[in-house]
Amino acid sequence: SQTIHQWPATLVQPVGSPLSLECTVEGTSNPNLYWYRQAAGRGLQLLFYSVGIGQISSEVPQNLSASRPQDRQFILSSKKLLLSDSGFYLCAWSPTDRVELFFGSGTQLSVL
Amino acid sequence: KQEVTQIPAALSVPEGENLVLNCSFTDSAIYNLQWFRQDPGKGLTSLLLIQSSQREQTSGRLNASLDKSSGRSTLYIAASQPGDSATYLCAVSSGAGSYQLTFGKGTKLSVIP
Repeated sequence: SQTIHQWPATLVQPVGSPLSLECTVEGTSNPNLYWYRQAAGRGLQLLFYSVGIGQISSEVPQNLSASRPQDRQFILSSKKLLLSDSGFYLCAWSPTDRVELFFGSGTQLSVL
Repeated sequence: KQEVTQIPAALSVPEGENLVLNCSFTDSAIYNLQWFRQDPGKGLTSLLLIQSSQREQTSGRLNASLDKSSGRSTLYIAASQPGDSATYLCAVSSGAGSYQLTFGKGTKLSVIP
C-alpha cells in the first residue's frame, strides 16, 4: 500500500530564516505531487504541483519554491521566511491516471 | 471560476443520529468529487471519490451522492458516533488533465455523546 511521509510536524522559525519541508511517498512510482497551504478561514490553496522529476508548476506567486529531486520526493523551500508564510502546509500525491488526492499529516509553520 | 460551498460551517448532533453534509459547486463540468475528513491539526483523510459518471459511492456508514446537473453533492453519515467529530471537506476536479482541485471550506461536525 502507498504511504506519504511529511516532516517536521511543527516548526517555529524567525522571520528571514530559510525553510525546507520534505515529503516522500512510498509504494508507488511516478506519482503526481502537490504542496498545499491551509490558512484559517481561507481554505486550502494549491501552491505547487509536479508531474515528474524536475517538473514544477507554481499556482501562485509567492516567497516559496518547490523541487522534486527524486521521483517520490517533494521539497518546499524558502530562502527568507516572511510572517505571512505562517500556516499549515500539506503535501499530497495522486496517481497519474486520476485526480484523487492522498494527503500527508501536515506541518504547522509559525514564523515569528 | 469554480466555487465550492459547504453549508453549514458547523453542525452539532447527538450520538446515533443520521446526518447529511452538503457541498455545492458552481460549474457542473466536473471530472470528479472527493470527500475528506480532517481532524484538528492533522492532514486530510480521503473518504470517498465520486467520478462524474457516478451517482453515489458507499463506504461503511458513509454514502456520498452526486448530482452534477444541480451542482450538489451530499455526504450521508449513518448512526453517528463521537469519533465522527471532525471537519469534512469536499473538493471538485474540473478535468482529467487539471491538477487543480477546488476545495470547500468544510463543515465542522460535533457528535455529542
